[in-house]
Amino acid sequence: GENVEQHPSTLSVQEGDSAVIKCTYSDSASNYFPWYKQELGKRPQLIIDIRSNVGEKKDQRIAVTLNKTAKHFSLHITETQPEDSAVYFCAASRGGNEKLTFGTGTRLTIIP
Amino acid sequence: GAVVSQHPSRVICKSGTSVKIECRSLDFQATTMFWYRQFPKKSLMLMATSNEGSKATYEQGVEKDKFLINHASLTLSTLTVTSAHPEDSSFYICSASGQGAGNEQFFGPGTRLTVL
Repeated sequence: GENVEQHPSTLSVQEGDSAVIKCTYSDSASNYFPWYKQELGKRPQLIIDIRSNVGEKKDQRIAVTLNKTAKHFSLHITETQPEDSAVYFCAASRGGNEKLTFGTGTRLTIIP
Repeated sequence: GAVVSQHPSRVICKSGTSVKIECRSLDFQATTMFWYRQFPKKSLMLMATSNEGSKATYEQGVEKDKFLINHASLTLSTLTVTSAHPEDSSFYICSASGQGAGNEQFFGPGTRLTVL
């Protein structure tokens, strides 16, 4: 089955700086890669996703890059703000109604 | 976006009792629902995948007889934790995908189960 690894497990960034979180996956058939933000006791919220037919996607301060050959994808947050502090999870699936396999999570702390 | 509700949000029960958690898609037909368990400071671990009208597919290591899943309609799936024990205490989250929701999975708000 799919295995998703995520690094780092914790990340502290000065407000205004950029944060980068990286994930690797094992299943070459995976073609859908979402990123979720989860606050304590809340549901995961989709912040951005990318499909295998593109290499990069950007939405304001958030971007995701995908390297299918190397089987890794990354989340980039620029101009970080205190409200970006949360746990972030990457995930991978074969798309459609297939199951998601989650990474282990990154606790991001933005230092004011 | 599509809305998924979950009930109850919190439940406390005694050891040995059974607890039912409901997951509903409010504005789309959920052909597939997923049940996850999340322990404190850990990731979401998929327990089972449920397709409407079919038996659920359980992940390796998840006891079918302990975690009963029913997906009898396109808007409702239930997870019953039978004979709950303290080690079953966790955050249970459902997600749903299907017609009218694109290929995205929409998550419910989660249920915090505490077994005394």
